[in-house]
Amino acid sequence: ETGVTQTPRHLVMGMTNKKSLKCEQHLGHNAMYWYKQSAKKPLELMFVYNFKEQTENNSVPSRFSPECPNSSHLFLHLHTLQPEDSALYLCASSQSDSGSYEQYFGPGTRLTVT
Amino acid sequence: GQNIDQPTEMTATEGAIVQINCTYQTSGFNGLFWYQQHAGEAPTFLSYNVLDGLEEKGRFSSFLSRSKGYSYLLLKELQMKDSASYLCAVRDSNYQLIWGAGTKLIIKP
Repeated sequence: ETGVTQTPRHLVMGMTNKKSLKCEQHLGHNAMYWYKQSAKKPLELMFVYNFKEQTENNSVPSRFSPECPNSSHLFLHLHTLQPEDSALYLCASSQSDSGSYEQYFGPGTRLTVT
Repeated sequence: GQNIDQPTEMTATEGAIVQINCTYQTSGFNGLFWYQQHAGEAPTFLSYNVLDGLEEKGRFSSFLSRSKGYSYLLLKELQMKDSASYLCAVRDSNYQLIWGAGTKLIIKP
């Protein structure tokens, strides 16, 4: 595997379900990110981890819970979601969370909440 | 508040040149990025500008004017595969990336 991988690619869940999204980066980067992408809207940064420590939490509802066990893996745990949470969830990584380093994105998980 | 403005959609002809503009108002400035995103795929990095002027990379060039809060992405010799959304993002004084909503570029034969 190369780059940034995400599983699953598609997820349909009911509002009472609990599920987790997984992201893995094979680039040796130190920073990882979760973004939400909705149609015709800017990317919304949800969480940032730098060297496994959470450095950013942009007022995300508690029904989204991130976990970063090491610099290569990032999870997003989901529970009691709302239909408006349906979106593309993108994971990204970069060498650092500052400076000129570009972010490398995974293919995303298309989430539908029913 | 912080804001990035880009046109929602543009149409151009194969073989032509197109310029996609981006204006920004942010708390400080620590660089501007352009990304390309094909439908259903991940965004991929195109260019980075932190100083005023033009950066050229093959068929793609990116320009920055910090005093005007303005950048553009110039695509030459357009190909059908250039049909995609182009995202502008600015790193603010806290090194947080502020994203525009993207410009959908449609290339016609």
